[in-house]
Amino acid sequence: NAGVMQNPRHLVRRRGQEARLRCSPMKGHSHVYWYRQLPEEGLKFMVYLQKENIIDESGMPKERFSAEFPKEGPSILRIQQVVRGDSAAYFCASSPSPGQGANTEAFFGQGTRLTVV
Amino acid sequence: KQEVTQIPAALSVPEGENLVLNCSFTDSAIYNLQWFRQDPGKGLTSLLLIQSSQREQTSGRLNASLDKSSGRSTLYIAASQPGDSATYLCAVGGKLIFGQGTELSVKP
Repeated sequence: NAGVMQNPRHLVRRRGQEARLRCSPMKGHSHVYWYRQLPEEGLKFMVYLQKENIIDESGMPKERFSAEFPKEGPSILRIQQVVRGDSAAYFCASSPSPGQGANTEAFFGQGTRLTVV
Repeated sequence: KQEVTQIPAALSVPEGENLVLNCSFTDSAIYNLQWFRQDPGKGLTSLLLIQSSQREQTSGRLNASLDKSSGRSTLYIAASQPGDSATYLCAVGGKLIFGQGTELSVKP
């Protein structure tokens, strides 16, 4: 059972371009979480998704950022018209539904390091 | 709004010491609490998960406790080793809200 897979591991974009970050959850996991981590800072919650449904996007900037978790395929975090301040490590995690069953442990991917030049 | 706080922010101990890391949260309506470690420049590794109905979990030299009513969890590390040096993070779920972490350094 492969772990949470994020790609690319490193992404360089020029200001104004679009960045697409992908996250494939662990097999059997129906929930995905995205976080942003700036250097020397903690993990900031961005969005929490279930397949085809956004559960909580209270941590997402109102503009330029969007996320989806389609019925088939990976979850995508999309950043339009990137700016230098978007440079950070973006992590995703997956878990079974947190309200069901005994094992609701979340696992993280290795992250995507976005650099905007 | 759930807020998670970890104390201390940084800790340096000599090898062999037992130590306690603290995590507190403001909303006791949680599904679970999970402890992670993060090495510099790396992702997060899950250490222990405590369901809301449980009081503690143990894995090797690690023991985590949960007191929902007081909004607190502790991570106890026995006989610390230099390889334990990392940042330790707690997160409360459903939404997985993280504290700022405790940066641990274990000196040989």
